[in-house]
Amino acid sequence: EAGVVQSPRYKIIEKKQPVAFWCNPISGHNTLYWYRQNLGQGPELLIRYENEEAVDDSQLPKDRFSAERLKGVDSTLKIQPAELGDSAVYLCASSGMGAATTGELFFGEGSRLTVL
Amino acid sequence: SQQGEEDPQALSIQEGENATMNCSYKTSINNLQWYRQNSGRGLVHLILIRSNEREKHSGRLRVTLDTSKKSSSLLITASRAADTASYFCATRKPSGTYKYIFGTGTRLKVLA
Repeated sequence: EAGVVQSPRYKIIEKKQPVAFWCNPISGHNTLYWYRQNLGQGPELLIRYENEEAVDDSQLPKDRFSAERLKGVDSTLKIQPAELGDSAVYLCASSGMGAATTGELFFGEGSRLTVL
Repeated sequence: SQQGEEDPQALSIQEGENATMNCSYKTSINNLQWYRQNSGRGLVHLILIRSNEREKHSGRLRVTLDTSKKSSSLLITASRAADTASYFCATRKPSGTYKYIFGTGTRLKVLA
């Protein structure tokens, strides 16, 4: 079974440029998470989807960040315009829901963003 | 925002020794999970302990949970160089939401 797939793995951009990250979750997982991880820190939740619905986006800086999950499968996280402080690893994770699931999150390898 | 804080922030031990790391959290939980992250990689789930459980084992891993103290510990026995990684606890609130909040992590280095 394929795991969570993210792209690109690495991205270097100039400040004020736009950038987008893509995530393909594990098949059948209806919950999808975007986390941001700064160097030496734990992941911080940006947004969580249950199917197509964003159910928790309180930590998403909505002035420059946007996300979508069309058809409840793949998701895209966009930053426009990027700032120096956005340099981080952006992690996507997915999980199932309900009593039959284990509750664990499955993570992709992450997208490392460097803003110059 | 971080729910949990791991202690110590960094730990260096010799191969074969046991490694213990602790996680403290702030609010009531449904469950607590531990994850490992190798340098430059994504996080990998290790073990889950529910709020009504006090101890769980998985291979060389032992997790305890003390809900009265809002704390958990992860013990890795007979450590190996391959255990070198960062370890994070993650908590889920009991409200039915599937929101997981991660701690700050413990960086473990196992010396061969």
